[in-house]
Amino acid sequence: KQEVTQIPAALSVPEGENLVLNCSFTDSAIYNLQWFRQDPGKGLTSLLLIQSSQREQTSGRLNASLDKSSGRSTLYIAASQPGDSATYLCACNEGTGFQKLVFGTGTRLLVSP
Amino acid sequence: DTAVSQTPKYLVTQMGNDKSIKCEQNLGHDTMYWYKQDSKKFLKIMFSYNNKELIINETVPNRFSPKSPDKAHLNLHINSLELGDSAVYFCASSPRLAGGIDTQYFGPGTRLTVL
Repeated sequence: KQEVTQIPAALSVPEGENLVLNCSFTDSAIYNLQWFRQDPGKGLTSLLLIQSSQREQTSGRLNASLDKSSGRSTLYIAASQPGDSATYLCACNEGTGFQKLVFGTGTRLLVSP
Repeated sequence: DTAVSQTPKYLVTQMGNDKSIKCEQNLGHDTMYWYKQDSKKFLKIMFSYNNKELIINETVPNRFSPKSPDKAHLNLHINSLELGDSAVYFCASSPRLAGGIDTQYFGPGTRLTVL
């Protein structure tokens, strides 16, 4: 059974810092891995999707990497801003022929001005 | 121009009642999902539908009955509500059933409180 863990559970940094969020998963037989952002009282917004054959994806100040063999993914946020404050969730898609996302426990990020 | 919408946003009800949550997507997607986020913010899939056909049922109690009248709508009906059903329920959609490059688009959530 796939288990997805994220550390740290919470992170507080001053504006401008570069930071790394970690995600680990127990079963490497994944279809892809996705990072989402959740703002308080809102739904999830997709940030990055890494296919199982890929090693990383980049979007603006965000870079996500995937190492299937070690069961790890990292989300790197460069030059953090207060607007980055949110909960970040990683999810493994373990479905074959259909999407079945197994979510991690989330990292709550606070970027202070 | 809301992509995935849910109603109601908040639902407060007594134990034992029956309630429904509605979801609609205007993205033309084939596949829709229901997720439950518990008090510890853990998000777990409940159901997945593709073109009105049930694909995933994650051992959810049969008090929960999803209904998809067409591929743009996936409603969730809950019978005999229990205290443990209190959670935020999210609807989501994706373009296709199997898409290695497709992500999911989430609604704003419905916060259900059972008293």
